[in-house]
Amino acid sequence: QSVLTQPPSASGTPGQRVTISCSGSSSNIGNNYVYWYQQLPGTAPKLLIYRNNQRPSGVPDRFSGSKSGTSASLAISGLRSEDEADYYCAAWDDSLRGVVFGGGTKLTVL
Amino acid sequence: QVQLVQSGAEVKKPGASVKVSCKASGYTFTNYAMHWVRQAPGQRLEWLGWINADNGDTRYSQNFQDRVTITRDTFASTAYMELTSLRSEDTAVYYCARDRGDITSAGTAWFDTWGQGTLVTVSS
Repeated sequence: QSVLTQPPSASGTPGQRVTISCSGSSSNIGNNYVYWYQQLPGTAPKLLIYRNNQRPSGVPDRFSGSKSGTSASLAISGLRSEDEADYYCAAWDDSLRGVVFGGGTKLTVL
Repeated sequence: QVQLVQSGAEVKKPGASVKVSCKASGYTFTNYAMHWVRQAPGQRLEWLGWINADNGDTRYSQNFQDRVTITRDTFASTAYMELTSLRSEDTAVYYCARDRGDITSAGTAWFDTWGQGTLVTVSS
């Protein structure tokens, strides 16, 4: 069972806006930055959002992150077929003194 | 460009050990920490631990504390992850990932560069 809770699946049609949630606690999301990763089938994860809402260079501005209290969200607007992937949230956990990941959300573009 | 290249796939018998390497290039190896993350088939990402590439300090997940050892060779710009007492549940792809955060801080989940992954299969 994951320390960070994500919905197992999400879906949308091309052009739509989709949001993926990530719920944690005061020892992780509540007190540390949240990071989001995109994993395409058969490939290594790729950094999508860092420090709650910052995009690395090369990541389209269709992707945005936010955080409030002990929860965070990843929003994808203008959904495209190539966005079909698994998405993971992650954060440092002060109690466990390590990195914790969400269980992952499989995004399907219908 | 920044790159992490891992060693090749391994097949091990239960009870054996495996050591995976991760060679860094394109940046100063000792300026960043390195983490190890694994992913069993169809499962979520799971953190194993990390190493401060500058001073060699390590921190491990409580789930693997007694079985995992992370080391580094600064001259070779290479990090290593050794997992002992292997069991079938350890079959997974193992990744190294560079921590983009401040190496002097407690830790982050800021992995800006990942290795290509190393498949470790544990089977009798």
